[in-house]
Amino acid sequence: TQLLEQSPQFLSIQEGENLTVYCNSSSVFSSLQWYRQEPGEGPVLLVTVVTGGEVKKLKRLTFQFGDARKDSSLHITAAQTGDTGLYLCAGRAQGGSEKLVFGKGTKLTVNP
Amino acid sequence: EAGVVQSPRYKIIEKKQPVAFWCNPISGHNTLYWYRQNLGQGPELLIRYENEEAVDDSQLPKDRFSAERLKGVDSTLKIQPAELGDSAVYLCASSLVRGTLVEQYFGPGTRLTVT
Repeated sequence: TQLLEQSPQFLSIQEGENLTVYCNSSSVFSSLQWYRQEPGEGPVLLVTVVTGGEVKKLKRLTFQFGDARKDSSLHITAAQTGDTGLYLCAGRAQGGSEKLVFGKGTKLTVNP
Repeated sequence: EAGVVQSPRYKIIEKKQPVAFWCNPISGHNTLYWYRQNLGQGPELLIRYENEEAVDDSQLPKDRFSAERLKGVDSTLKIQPAELGDSAVYLCASSLVRGTLVEQYFGPGTRLTVT
């Protein structure tokens, strides 16, 4: 069974601060996705990383896929209140599987 | 373009009662997924459809859960009878293949409370 461990589980910061959340596994994934979920809504896809060592930027968000494709990080610069939400990572197993395995998420609260 | 539509958004039922959830995926998306998300957890796959065929239902509790996707478009997930532990958010998603990538789009979910 492939498991994704996300840390920290909860994070509360002030607006303007930087933060990093992590997604780790002992398994190798063919790709890894990050989603943000707001209360009462479904997860919304932010990014997909495929290549080991890949870095993708989405405005103030920077996503990195580990060289061995077992882990990933999400860094937010100068957090805003609108960044508040549950950040989920999801990995796709090697071999062409369409099944996504989700982590439990990091609940981020950005205070004004 | 309309997103994934789910109904109802909220449902409260007593244990042992039946309940059904409905999902309309994004037009043109052949793959449809049903997930269950417990409080404080990530979504867990219940069943995946390719058109009208269920290709992965290994995590669906078949003694009380059933699903169908007639005509390969809309889908219904049913629980009969519901148990207290079924309280969760039930998410539907559909996916689009972009080259080698598969991007899933989620609906808003149905929050089920079993009392």
